[in-house]
Amino acid sequence: RKEVEQDPGPFNVPEGATVAFNCTYSNSASQSFFWYRQDCRKEPKLLMSVYSSGNEDGRFTAQLNRASQYISLLIRDSKLSDSATYLCAVNKRAGKSTFGDGTTLTVKP
Amino acid sequence: GAGVSQSPRYKVAKRGQDVALRCDPISGHVSLFWYQQALGQGPEFLTYFQNEAQLDKSGLPSDRFFAERPEGSVSTLKIQRTQQEDSAVYLCASSLAPSYLSGNTIYFGEGSWLTVV
Repeated sequence: RKEVEQDPGPFNVPEGATVAFNCTYSNSASQSFFWYRQDCRKEPKLLMSVYSSGNEDGRFTAQLNRASQYISLLIRDSKLSDSATYLCAVNKRAGKSTFGDGTTLTVKP
Repeated sequence: GAGVSQSPRYKVAKRGQDVALRCDPISGHVSLFWYQQALGQGPEFLTYFQNEAQLDKSGLPSDRFFAERPEGSVSTLKIQRTQQEDSAVYLCASSLAPSYLSGNTIYFGEGSWLTVV
């Protein structure tokens, strides 16, 4: 079993839809949590960090549930430009990230 | 540019050939990471440098893989006697602060795409 697991994809949604991704992690000592976005044949780019209190950045909301060891990403009012692979990442100690395999999102007109 | 720069962007190697992949981190960044990303998978950690010191090499898959950062800036990942299973994207990332500081944003380069034939 992988240390970080994500929803199997792909997710195909119409524009304007709300879509949610979940990610579970197995190591309870994990300290920091992140969502990255990766476009096709490009490098991962940090989308947002995830805090225990939950955090929001425009249409994106990230939440952390330490008791159940999962993190989530909610995208509201999805745009065509949101089409990408979304990777969750977990750090047991700061700096060394363990990534999930990603979930691919395609937003269709 | 001001980002992490990697070269070559694309490399085709014959099985058994040695390859060297270069990473120029963002100027002044203390931490440097190498990751390997196979098709359809997430990045897998290979090794970490804090300045010139290689503090963690637990992810290097075999002794054919070697990384260095002799002056604390540019880093090279070397793969000896390449095998087909080494085909992947090799991503370099850097961050300003040492890895023990949480909330440390890391910035990835575009990667070196290695195909072993």
